[in-house]
Amino acid sequence: DAKTTQPPSMDCAEGRAANLPCNHSTISGNEYVYWYRQIHSQGPQYIIHGLKNNETNEMASLIITEDRKSSTLILPHATLRDTAVYYCIVRSGGATNKLIFGTGTLLAVQP
Amino acid sequence: GAVVSQHPSWVICKSGTSVKIECRSLDFQATTMFWYRQFPKQSLMLMATSNEGSKATYEQGVEKDKFLINHASLTLSTLTVTSAHPEDSSFYICSALRDSNIQPQHFGDGTRLSIL
Repeated sequence: DAKTTQPPSMDCAEGRAANLPCNHSTISGNEYVYWYRQIHSQGPQYIIHGLKNNETNEMASLIITEDRKSSTLILPHATLRDTAVYYCIVRSGGATNKLIFGTGTLLAVQP
Repeated sequence: GAVVSQHPSWVICKSGTSVKIECRSLDFQATTMFWYRQFPKQSLMLMATSNEGSKATYEQGVEKDKFLINHASLTLSTLTVTSAHPEDSSFYICSALRDSNIQPQHFGDGTRLSIL
C-alpha cells in the first residue's frame, strides 16, 4: 500500500473549518483513501473514505485532487471535541485489507 | 453504526501471568479482525490479522507463541499475552472488518495492559 505524508500538528480555532492535508503521491489506481481519528486513550474512529470523487458525510468532507496524489479532510465547524490525532491511510480492497498507520496529524482546536 | 467491543478496558497483573483480551463485533459479522499495539506517544502498530476459522497471520517481528490469537466465531476474536512481562505493557486495540472489500474497519476502545 502507498505511504502517506501528513503535517505533525495543526491548530484550528473553535467554530472555524479545519483543513487537514495528506500527500499520497505513490497511490495506485485501486487504492482508497481512508481517514480515521484517535482521541486520547481511545480506539481510532472511522471518519470517511473515498477513491477519486469528493465525499461528504455527517462528520466531514473529503476532497481528493484530480491526480489523486493528495487529499484534504475538512471538518466544517471544529469543536473542542475534535481535538485528536488524524490519520490518513491508503488501502486497496485486496485480500490483505490491512491498515498501516503513519504518524498522523495532531489537530488542536483552540477555544 | 458498527460497534466493536473490547474487554477488559484495563488490566494490571503480575509478571509471568497470561492475560486474555476479547474483541467482539456487536452488530455485524466480522470475517477479519486485526490486533494492534500502541506505545505512549506512538502510532498504532499492526500485530496480526485474524480470519475466522483459520490461523492468524502475524506481522514481521511479532512472536506468535507470545501473542496467541483465536478467532473462533464471526463475532469474537481473542488475544492472549502469554507469560507477560513489563515490556509487554501497552495499549492493545482490535478492529473488525465486515467483509473483504473497501468497507472500513471499526475499532474497539482498546485495552490498557500494565504488567508489574
